[in-house]
Amino acid sequence: QTVVTQEPSLTVSPGGTVTLTCASSTGAVTSGYYPNWFQQKPGQAPRPLIYTTSNKHSWTPGRFSGSLLGGKAALTLSGVQPEDEAEYYCLLYYGGAWVFGGGTKLTVL
Amino acid sequence: QITLKESGPTLVKPTQTLTLTCTFSGFSLTTGGVAVGWIRQPPGKALEWLALIYGNDGKHYSPSLKSRLTITKDTSQNHVVLTMTNVDPVDTATYYCAHRQNSAFDYWGQGTLVTVSS
Repeated sequence: QTVVTQEPSLTVSPGGTVTLTCASSTGAVTSGYYPNWFQQKPGQAPRPLIYTTSNKHSWTPGRFSGSLLGGKAALTLSGVQPEDEAEYYCLLYYGGAWVFGGGTKLTVL
Repeated sequence: QITLKESGPTLVKPTQTLTLTCTFSGFSLTTGGVAVGWIRQPPGKALEWLALIYGNDGKHYSPSLKSRLTITKDTSQNHVVLTMTNVDPVDTATYYCAHRQNSAFDYWGQGTLVTVSS
């Protein structure tokens, strides 16, 4: 069974920069996994942030960026704001099926 | 604009079949590359991708749930239906449907909470 792994939790100071990663049990993540990233706050539906590795939706704040880093998909937040405190999920494509990561709880402190 | 809304029972008994409907507007499933997917989230847990259907009736399922899931569409009614057989309390979750285009799950419904309990 395919497993997608994210850091369970990360802490960042306001104004700082943090990178969340997304690894696949099948090996290096490439653009062919079409990584998507989502932000979710308590009681809300997930909010899409990034698709196909690095493309932003029209509503995605400029401080969010996606990339491939060291064989993983990565989401970088630069100039973190208090409102960025949330759970973040990645989603990878496996030739038909998709698999979510376990999520990263980002604390802004 | 694109909107999706999930509907279905809020309470289902173990071993029963769960049927959820996603009603959407603002797009057509007949458009090339467009699909509708289902995702769920147990209380306090991570998101889990379940199934996807295209306008050409192509379908994909989560390998771990494939034997219990069926996804269908009614293009004329702008509905996508997910059926899950033999439900168990571990299937208690908020179920979401989402629009997928260009490998982006870009629009989501608000979700519907389904509790499996006797």
